Order: sequence, then C-alpha cells, then structure tokens
Amino acid sequence: GENVEQHPSTLSVQEGDSAVIKCTYSDSASNYFPWYKQELGKGPQLIIDIRSNVGEKKDQRIAVTLNKTAKHFSLHITETQPEDSAVYFCASEGGNNRLAFGKGNQVVVIP
Amino acid sequence: DTEVTQTPKHLVMGMTNKKSLKCEQHMGHRAMYWYKQKAKKPPELMFVYSYEKLSINESVPSRFSPECPNSSLLNLHLHALQPEDSALYLCASSETARYGYTFGSGTRLTVV
Repeated sequence: GENVEQHPSTLSVQEGDSAVIKCTYSDSASNYFPWYKQELGKGPQLIIDIRSNVGEKKDQRIAVTLNKTAKHFSLHITETQPEDSAVYFCASEGGNNRLAFGKGNQVVVIP
Repeated sequence: DTEVTQTPKHLVMGMTNKKSLKCEQHMGHRAMYWYKQKAKKPPELMFVYSYEKLSINESVPSRFSPECPNSSLLNLHLHALQPEDSALYLCASSETARYGYTFGSGTRLTVV
C-alpha cells in the first residue's frame, strides 16, 4: 500500500519567517495530495490540496508544490503567525478510497 | 452547510456499556468515513461507506459496528470496549470517494 513519509517531525520558526514541510510518497498512481492542520482538541482541517495534473497551488500565505517525478510534495507557509502553530499532516490518495497520512509535523511559531 | 457534525464531543464509558457515536453532514457527500486517532499519531481508517454501503472495513474488531441510515448520517455503535480503545474518533465525508475530505471535530472517547 501507499507509504507517506513526512519531515521534519517538529519545526520551530520565528514569527514572520517561512516554514516548509516535505512529504514523499511511494505509489506512483497517487493523484490527490491534501494537507491538514490539526489544532489541539479539534479534528483535522483541510487547508490546501493539489491534484497530480498541477505542479503548484497557492492560497494566500499557503502554497503546495508537487514533483511527480521525484514523488514528493511540500507545504510552504509564508509570514508565519502564532495561529499557524499546530500539527500538520500530509496525505495522499491513490484511487483506493483510502487516504494515507504522514506521521504529522508539529509546527511552533515563536512570537 | 460545510461542516461535519459529531456528537457527543466527549464520552466516558465502562467496558460493559453500549454507546453510539453519531455523525451528520449536509454537503451532499456520498462517501463517509470513520477514523480513530491516538495522541500524537495520524488518523487511522476504520470504515468507509460509499453511497450508503459499507465498502471498506479495515479489519476492525466487531465491538465496533458502523451503520449508515441514510446519505447524511453515520453511526458507530460501541459495545464491550477495552481501555486501549480510548482515542479520538473522527468522522469524515467527501464529495466523491476520492477528493475533498472534510473531518468533524471528533468524539473524545475514554473507556474505563
């Protein structure tokens, strides 16, 4: 089955700096890659997603890039703010009704 | 309405109790999911319903019994649970079986 690796496991950034989280996947048939933000005591919230026919997608301070050849995708957060502190999960979906999640990344924005 | 609503938010139950978790969405999504999430871990898939039919059971113990009464509702019936079943139980739905998953806030379950 699909295997998704997520790095780093913890990321601390100064407020205003950029944060980048990288994920790799194993199944070349995967074609949908969402990113979820999970705050303490809440369910995962979809923040951005990308499909395999697109290389990059932006939504305000958040962007996702996809490299299908290398089988990796990344989340970029610019001008980080304290409210960006959360656990971020990447995932991929390879056509079998299953999302394979990465292990998660704890992002801490230091004011 | 763009939400998945789960009730209750918190549940404490004994190992001999029977309880049910409920999930509701009114986005017209035809796929609904139950996930289990332990602390500091990613969500783990339990069940998938597609067009109100169970399509995936990830070898979940029979003490967990899902039910999909209609396209908007999803239940998870719990019976004779173990303390290790304590976790956050998440419901999700998606517009097709593949894209646009939306998660609820979850039910924090504690088995004593």
